[in-house]
Amino acid sequence: DAMVIQNPRYQVTQFGKPVTLSCSQTLNHNVMYWYQQKSSQAPKLLFHYYDKDFNNEADTPDNFQSRRPNTSFCFLDIRSPGLGDAAMYLCATSRRGERTEAFFGQGTRLTVV
Amino acid sequence: GDSVTQMEGPVTLSEEAFLTINCTYTATGYPSLFWYVQYPGEGLQLLLKATKADDKGSNKGFEATYRKETTSFHLEKGSVQVSDSAVYFCALGTGANSKLTFGKGITLSVRP
Repeated sequence: DAMVIQNPRYQVTQFGKPVTLSCSQTLNHNVMYWYQQKSSQAPKLLFHYYDKDFNNEADTPDNFQSRRPNTSFCFLDIRSPGLGDAAMYLCATSRRGERTEAFFGQGTRLTVV
Repeated sequence: GDSVTQMEGPVTLSEEAFLTINCTYTATGYPSLFWYVQYPGEGLQLLLKATKADDKGSNKGFEATYRKETTSFHLEKGSVQVSDSAVYFCALGTGANSKLTFGKGITLSVRP
């Protein structure tokens, strides 16, 4: 089945130690998104790609970076995780267009110790 | 900016009860509207959507109608099941890249 896959499902990292979360898709969608969802809160968009065109949200901290080496893969890099970065990170994809829906992966739960 | 307001939760219902979850929005453009559902420990799944005024989205017994005049997209189901227990998010999408703005979500618990 075509889908969005995030690895790992659970990630524990040390305070200040760089960590990378990965996302792959078989939907061949040209838009990919990263959302951060803290406990009992709404998902918040960090950034998105349209093909290789990177779009950062204005309030996304500099600590968060992303890479998209090809259509299928997208990575979220957290350069120096703090305790406040503990959250569920959701990857999503969509076709480009104003009326299209997003397809989400199962998420990666990040714990910072 | 764009925003979505959902009714406060949590909501607890008995099986077969009627469900309404309110959602209103503010948008600068003409958004598409979505309901997503999140089961414990999982990502979000699209439940239904509507892309223009007066459209009704429906799926698995859930329905919502895009009301432009009241800027609302309330979710309804006539008879809930225990398996409907989850967190429900209302969202709007705008722009060519369909960026989503979510409401805070509401937790629904259905008792047998």
